[in-house]
Amino acid sequence: GAVVSQHPSWVICKSGTSVKIECRSLDFQATTMFWYRQFPKQSLMLMATSNEGSKATYEQGVEKDKFLINHASLTLSTLTVTSAHPEDSSFYICSATADRGEKLFFGSGTQLSVL
Amino acid sequence: DAKTTQPPSMDCAEGRAANLPCNHSTISGNEYVYWYRQIHSQGPQYIIHGLKNNETNEMASLIITEDRKSSTLILPHATLRDTAVYYCIVRAGLYNFNKFYFGSGTKLNVKP
Repeated sequence: GAVVSQHPSWVICKSGTSVKIECRSLDFQATTMFWYRQFPKQSLMLMATSNEGSKATYEQGVEKDKFLINHASLTLSTLTVTSAHPEDSSFYICSATADRGEKLFFGSGTQLSVL
Repeated sequence: DAKTTQPPSMDCAEGRAANLPCNHSTISGNEYVYWYRQIHSQGPQYIIHGLKNNETNEMASLIITEDRKSSTLILPHATLRDTAVYYCIVRAGLYNFNKFYFGSGTKLNVKP
């Protein structure tokens, strides 16, 4: 299947700093990527849809100024958590559709811990 | 928003078939049923998907009832490595922009 690479795997930062997470499609072009977050023992929550060359669309309740998404190329999308606070600590997972849109492939996730 | 209902957990003996049910009674005619699984602290893994016909691949079989209101994922010979959370998802279509909303999933425990 298609490979989605996510980096970093984990990050620890101080409260008030910004953190950038990268998501790359390695062997295919991803016009659409989805970002999820997951709290411990909970399911994945869709945060936003990232489309190459256009603004991301955010799910209801997700602050777009807090979670900045850039999808500048067909193989790279980034999520920046701005002015991170402890409540932003979570597992963030990116994903991209492939196989003519039929399947969604996921990155390995980024564990963010904000101190 | 998730449109599926799954039992929170199930147990299965190693080597036996694991049958995971999913209820999607409000599914529309053009919506697909997908199954993913997530092993602890990893990104979810695609398993299988279907519209109305039963489907089989190297990982599993998907049985969809005739009225499409429920489905069952079958792992024919469960191994310890199949221990994971299994998510049943109803997706509005097959286009890139069609989203995947995850429900609460079923924690499958495969026991020796």
